[in-house]
Amino acid sequence: AQSVTQLGSHVSVSEGALVLLRCNYSSSVPPYLFWYVQYPNQGLQLLLKYTTGATLVKGINGFEAEFKKSETSFHLTKPSAHMSDAAEYFCAVSGSGAAGNKLTFGGGTRVLVKP
Amino acid sequence: GAGVSQSPRYKVAKRGQDVALRCDPISGHVSLFWYQQALGQGPEFLTYFQNEAQLDKSGLPSDRFFAERPEGSVSTLKIQRTQQEDSAVYLCASSDRDRGYEQYFGPGTRLTVT
Repeated sequence: AQSVTQLGSHVSVSEGALVLLRCNYSSSVPPYLFWYVQYPNQGLQLLLKYTTGATLVKGINGFEAEFKKSETSFHLTKPSAHMSDAAEYFCAVSGSGAAGNKLTFGGGTRVLVKP
Repeated sequence: GAGVSQSPRYKVAKRGQDVALRCDPISGHVSLFWYQQALGQGPEFLTYFQNEAQLDKSGLPSDRFFAERPEGSVSTLKIQRTQQEDSAVYLCASSDRDRGYEQYFGPGTRLTVT
C-alpha cells in the first residue's frame, strides 16, 4: 500500500523567489514518484518522475525534485518562481512502472505567485 | 488523437438520476484509468482497464459505479442513482509502453449532483 502527504495546502511565493513544495510518501515496495501540475479546469500534466537511478530528477518548466529514501521524501523545487507557475501541484506514488501502475496522490498544494 | 478527451466537460444531475461519462484515450493506448477528484483533494483511483479487460476496480466506491471499455478504446463511466457525494471531477488517463507507461490525463468531467 502507498500513501502521500503534502505539507501545506497553500504556498505563497514572490516572483523570482524559490519554490519549495514538500512531499513525503509511504510505500511497501520501491516507489515510483511523480509530480503533476494542474491548471484551472485542466487535467494533470506530468512535471517529472523518479523511477530508478539518479535521485535528482529534472523536469519541465525548470522544476526538479530529489528522491531521498532515508527521509521518504520527494520535494519539488524551482529556483525562481514565475507568474505562470501559479497552479495546483500534486505529488503521487506508484508501486510499479508497469501497465497497471495506478497512482496514489497527495492532497495537493496550491501555489500563489505574488508580483 | 492529440490527447485524452472527455465529455461532457460539465454535467449537472439531479439526485437519483443516472449519468454516463465518456473518455476517449490517446489512440493506441492500451491502459486506461479513471480517477475521482473531490473538491480540494487529490485524485483517487477508481478503476483500470488493459484493452477491454477491467483488471482493477478496487477503487469504485459503490455498486452504483460501473465502467466499461467494450472495444478497448473509448471508455464510459456510469453512475446510477447519483448522490450528492458523487459530486466531483472525474478524470480519465491513458498510457502505453512506448512512454514508459506515463499517464496522460484528460481535462475531466465536473459532475454536480443537486
